[in-house]
Amino acid sequence: GENVEQHPSTLSVQEGDSAVIKCTYSDSASNYFPWYKQELGKGPQLIIDIRSNVGEKKDQRIAVTLNKTAKHFSLHITETQPEDSAVYFCAASPPHHSGGGADGLTFGKGTHLIIQP
Amino acid sequence: DSGVTQTPKHLITATGQRVTLRCSPRSGDLSVYWYQQSLDQGLQFLIQYYNGEERAKGNILERFSAQQFPDLHSELNLSSLELGDSALYFCASSVGAAAGGDTQYFGPGTRLTVL
Repeated sequence: GENVEQHPSTLSVQEGDSAVIKCTYSDSASNYFPWYKQELGKGPQLIIDIRSNVGEKKDQRIAVTLNKTAKHFSLHITETQPEDSAVYFCAASPPHHSGGGADGLTFGKGTHLIIQP
Repeated sequence: DSGVTQTPKHLITATGQRVTLRCSPRSGDLSVYWYQQSLDQGLQFLIQYYNGEERAKGNILERFSAQQFPDLHSELNLSSLELGDSALYFCASSVGAAAGGDTQYFGPGTRLTVL
């Protein structure tokens, strides 16, 4: 099955600086890569996603890049703000295979992002 | 607010007991997914239902089962509970059957504590 590795596990940056979180995946058939932000006591919230026919996607201060050849994707947050402090998860999803196979997301272990004032 | 609701928010029970967790998907979503989040295992996919039918299975134990009802709400049943089942249980929903990856929206979760 799919395996997703996420680094770093903790990232501390100064407010206003950029943060980069990296993930690698193992299943070359995976074609959907979402990023979730989880605040304490809440469920994961989708912040951006990318599909395998796209190399980069931006949404204001957040961007995601995908390198299918190397099987890795990254989250970039620019001009970080205190409210960006949270745990971020990357995930990968292979296409559904008829007769079985999980459509569930395979998650990385998470990155605790700390924004220092 | 994702539009996915889960009840109860907290559940405390004893080993050997059985509990039921409930989830209502976003309006218009046909798929429901269940995930378990624990400190040692992280976020793990358990099972998916699409329009009342089981669609995919992940790392779900045989002591756990789920169903999706005609009104599309779903229940996750956990039986013969063990200490290690203590975790956060999340429900997510998406519009379609997720062939190729549908956007999944997560609920606020149910925190299960087994004593």
